[in-house]
Amino acid sequence: KNEVEQSPQNLTAQEGEFITINCSYSVGISALHWLQQHPGGGIVSLFMLSSGKKKHGRLIATINIQEKHSSLHITASHPRDSAVYICAVPLETSGSRLTFGEGTQLTVNP
Amino acid sequence: DVKVTQSSRYLVKRTGEKVFLECVQDMDHENMFWYRQDPGLGLRLIYFSYDVKMKEKGDIPEGYSVSREKKERFSLILESASTNQTSMYLCASSLLIFDSLNTEAFFGQGTRLTVV
Repeated sequence: KNEVEQSPQNLTAQEGEFITINCSYSVGISALHWLQQHPGGGIVSLFMLSSGKKKHGRLIATINIQEKHSSLHITASHPRDSAVYICAVPLETSGSRLTFGEGTQLTVNP
Repeated sequence: DVKVTQSSRYLVKRTGEKVFLECVQDMDHENMFWYRQDPGLGLRLIYFSYDVKMKEKGDIPEGYSVSREKKERFSLILESASTNQTSMYLCASSLLIFDSLNTEAFFGQGTRLTVV
């Protein structure tokens, strides 16, 4: 069992739809990262959160520490949101280095 | 803006060649990381460095070595490239260790290496 699991692996949506990507992890953490990787390969950090909710534009990230679960929501999705979304956590079992989920490939069609 | 720059976007090398992947960051970060990314496996840590001349093995160090002679530069070396090292390689840096609440990871644009 992976220590960080994302779902779904692939997601196709129509422009304007509300998107949810989920991330579950197996042990206690201090913070969770959401990252975005565009087709060119570069990765950018979207959010880092340790509790509650954060919002940036059309993106919202929530985390429930007790349930060891986080969600990334995209409101009014747009084709330019098409990317791979990756969650990452510093697991105690890995010496506080980041452990990554496998990623969710999102495709938003016009 | 923090910049992490990898020297090449695409590389094609022959089996047995010695390959150098270079990474430079301009924000005086202590920590630098090399990952490889493969379909279905996500990002896996090869090596990391928390200071000049310091290095630690990650989860998959076999077949790789690293060098950090200056704070801003972290090099990944494939001593004798093999076809199973064909992958996307990503460099990252951070100011603090990741269990600090204020630490963000900054990534390079990636190097897609093909070994033929």
